[in-house]
Amino acid sequence: SYVLTQPPSVSVAPGQTARVTCGGNNIGRKSVHWYQQKPGQAPVLVVYDDSDRPSGIPERFSGSNSGNTATLTISRVEAGDEADYYCQVWDSSSDLCIFGGGTTLTVL
Amino acid sequence: EVQLAESGGGLVQPGGSLRLSCVTSGFTLATYWMTWVRQAPGKGLEWVANVKQDASEKYYVDSVRGRFTISRDNAKNSLYLQMNSLRAEDTAVYYCARARVRVIGVPYWYFDLWGRGILVAVSS
Repeated sequence: SYVLTQPPSVSVAPGQTARVTCGGNNIGRKSVHWYQQKPGQAPVLVVYDDSDRPSGIPERFSGSNSGNTATLTISRVEAGDEADYYCQVWDSSSDLCIFGGGTTLTVL
Repeated sequence: EVQLAESGGGLVQPGGSLRLSCVTSGFTLATYWMTWVRQAPGKGLEWVANVKQDASEKYYVDSVRGRFTISRDNAKNSLYLQMNSLRAEDTAVYYCARARVRVIGVPYWYFDLWGRGILVAVSS
């Protein structure tokens, strides 16, 4: 089945830019979505369809997708951005929803 | 206010059964696909099942197919997950979520609204 690979952790200083990657075979041909999950809370959608933002999500959150890598970019990182981030796709060949393993973002 | 609220979780012995419910409010349930997603303690998210608006289509992850059944009652604004033959590895927080689906062009399925989750613990 289709596999999404995320780095276990990413660290960044406040005010800098964080990039969380999501690797998959020809993922650029799929629509990728990103979720933020803070400890003890439910996930929150932050980017959908590669690069669109739901209402209420700051413009600091953006996404891109090409080739074998999708990327969630968080600009001007704040302490409140510390969370786990998950990428997700729908694999139409198997009719399965696939999540990446998640990346823990640490703000130094 | 748009929200989802799960109930029905708890401690159950291996081989037992449990039925989760998710009551929705603030939107018309009948117009959306719905899903269950779970998260084992300290682990990542795992999609469990989806159900179409009229329940005519259902999809399951391989590990639960044949043991779990997703259903819905649009008149009661409710989503359900019947879980039978439970195993220790089914222990997780279970979330219900509203799905957004596109089937033409590049298909997608994503989840724009989530409940708070409910814990299911399978242990003797």
